[in-house]
Amino acid sequence: GEDVEQSLFLSVREGDSSVINCTYTDSSSTYLYWYKQEPGAGLQLLTYIFSNMDMKQDQRLTVLLNKKDKHLSLRIADTQTGDSAIYFCAEFLDTGRRALTFGSGTRLQVQP
Amino acid sequence: SAVISQKPSRDICQRGTSLTIQCQVDSQVTMMFWYRQQPGQSLTLIATANQGSEATYESGFVIDKFPISRPNLTFSTLTVSNMSPEDSSIYLCSVDSPWGGVEETQYFGPGTRLLVL
Repeated sequence: GEDVEQSLFLSVREGDSSVINCTYTDSSSTYLYWYKQEPGAGLQLLTYIFSNMDMKQDQRLTVLLNKKDKHLSLRIADTQTGDSAIYFCAEFLDTGRRALTFGSGTRLQVQP
Repeated sequence: SAVISQKPSRDICQRGTSLTIQCQVDSQVTMMFWYRQQPGQSLTLIATANQGSEATYESGFVIDKFPISRPNLTFSTLTVSNMSPEDSSIYLCSVDSPWGGVEETQYFGPGTRLLVL
């Protein structure tokens, strides 16, 4: 079955790196996503990774995928106060349904 | 990418009334999705809307409560019918890659914040 789990809260100091973790249970995931939701806003697609990759880097963002452990992480380098938001991981299963299954979201708090 | 707008952005409604939310995309897309995000919660898929066919509803959601229209490839509506306070949520429209896209990316609208009194 589909189940995506995240820790609920992470607090870091400005300038440090943040690592947000996500686990999923369905090994048929083809794409895994990270979305950012700022207060009062919709979801912004940050980055995604295809399941045949194990790492993707995009400026300050690094996504690591461990398919064996079904573990996905998002690392934000040099975290800024503007990075404070809720981060959702989501998986896409190529089963014809084509909708995403979301984790519970991790609230990132960046302290000055 | 796709630019998605939703109307209204927020509303306060009385119980027993209905609200229709509009979703407009700036390019033609195959599939449109409607999600609900209850306060402090993650996103839950309500239904998938394809042009020219009935929407496909997820378990726990029914057409009488959440009728959906998809008249063309750039527009969809979701109606929340006979509202109760439990329907207070953010309702988000999402689309898959516009035609010509090669990646399985999905984009979200800004959401409609609904409060039912």
